[in-house]
Amino acid sequence: DAGVIQSPRHEVTEMGQEVTLRCKPISGHNSLFWYRQTMMRGLELLIYFNNNVPIDDSGMPEDRFSAKMPNASFSTLKIQPSEPRDSAVYFCASSFSRRAFFGQGTRLTVV
Amino acid sequence: RKEVEQDPGPFNVPEGATVAFNCTYSNSASQSFFWYRQDCRKEPKLLMSVYSSGNEDGRFTAQLNRASQYISLLIRDSKLSDSATYLCVVSAFGDYKLSFGAGTTVTVRA
Repeated sequence: DAGVIQSPRHEVTEMGQEVTLRCKPISGHNSLFWYRQTMMRGLELLIYFNNNVPIDDSGMPEDRFSAKMPNASFSTLKIQPSEPRDSAVYFCASSFSRRAFFGQGTRLTVV
Repeated sequence: RKEVEQDPGPFNVPEGATVAFNCTYSNSASQSFFWYRQDCRKEPKLLMSVYSSGNEDGRFTAQLNRASQYISLLIRDSKLSDSATYLCVVSAFGDYKLSFGAGTTVTVRA
């Protein structure tokens, strides 16, 4: 298995633009998580899904953030409009029996 | 109070030394416990699960103290390659959410 696959690996965008981050979880894993990591705030859980259903989105910072999981093999995290304070590394992780495996992350820079 | 708290360190130790650190959790319903390792500019990776009776994986030993609500990680015979940030992860019974601590940084010097 290739593991959790995230794209793009790096994204530089201008403030106000829409950003879409993509994630392909490990096949057979039933939970999917989106995390954001910064030096100041560490690893923050944004949202997680179980069997493609959003369970807890209380970590989503604002209405500018949205996430979808249309099927078991794909999820997106969208930021519209983006702001400089959204700059961070965004990780997707999938899990089975609570053992989570992370993708390599998307390093987002909003200028 | 944060759900999971860790001493950020850094713990600077010489090669061959033993280093240990703890992680406390606030939810008494927590059921599953893990240690993850994160190298600089990399993703977190599962290091080991933590079982009620304690468990070892090579030079790494994990312990759980339910009464005091903490878990610990001990690294024996430290190697340079053990330098990383170690993240404590906790999950409550019936909850798929994984709560991460902020991490403990360990630096092993030659």
